[in-house]
Amino acid sequence: GQQVMQIPQYQHVQEGEDFTTYCNSSTTLSNIQWYKQRPGGHPVFLIQLVKSGEVKKQKRLTFQFGEAKKNSSLHITATQTTDVGTYFCATGANNLFFGTGTRLTVIP
Amino acid sequence: KAGVTQTPRYLIKTRGQQVTLSCSPISGHRSVSWYQQTPGQGLQFLFEYFSETQRNKGNFPGRFSGRQFSNSRSEMNVSTLELGDSALYLCASSSDPTYEQYFGPGTRLTVT
Repeated sequence: GQQVMQIPQYQHVQEGEDFTTYCNSSTTLSNIQWYKQRPGGHPVFLIQLVKSGEVKKQKRLTFQFGEAKKNSSLHITATQTTDVGTYFCATGANNLFFGTGTRLTVIP
Repeated sequence: KAGVTQTPRYLIKTRGQQVTLSCSPISGHRSVSWYQQTPGQGLQFLFEYFSETQRNKGNFPGRFSGRQFSNSRSEMNVSTLELGDSALYLCASSSDPTYEQYFGPGTRLTVT
């Protein structure tokens, strides 16, 4: 099956600092989805990328899909305490293969 | 629109027992997927049902099974429970072909 590696596993930032998590695969991916899971919560869909080199923005969040469709990144500008949670990348359709996740802690 | 609901939310079972978990998808969604989440293995795909048929299956033993009813509600069953089955079981529904998955709150299963 497909495997997606995600780094870093943990990230602690001061409020206001930027944050980036990376998702990498050894094979070409048909798509990348990003999810956020708050502590004690369930994954919530953020976005899907399907095109090579695609870049999408949602307010302070920027999502990128690599040119070779083997990697992706999520960048948060000026983190806020509400950004706390674990961010997962995933690939597939209704049978998602999830990355290991990056747990973000924001220090006020 | 009501979200995905899962029952029960918490469950404690003993090794060797079996358990049935239930998931009601968002109205109009015909695809229901199940995932297992553990600290060690992360989020892993179990299976997906669409129009009462299993369409995709993950790499789990046959003790894990599921079904979907005509109203799209789904159940998963785990027989002969093992300690390692302790996990958060998440159900997600989607409306093909967008593939955006809407997750329920999960059922926290503890096997003692």
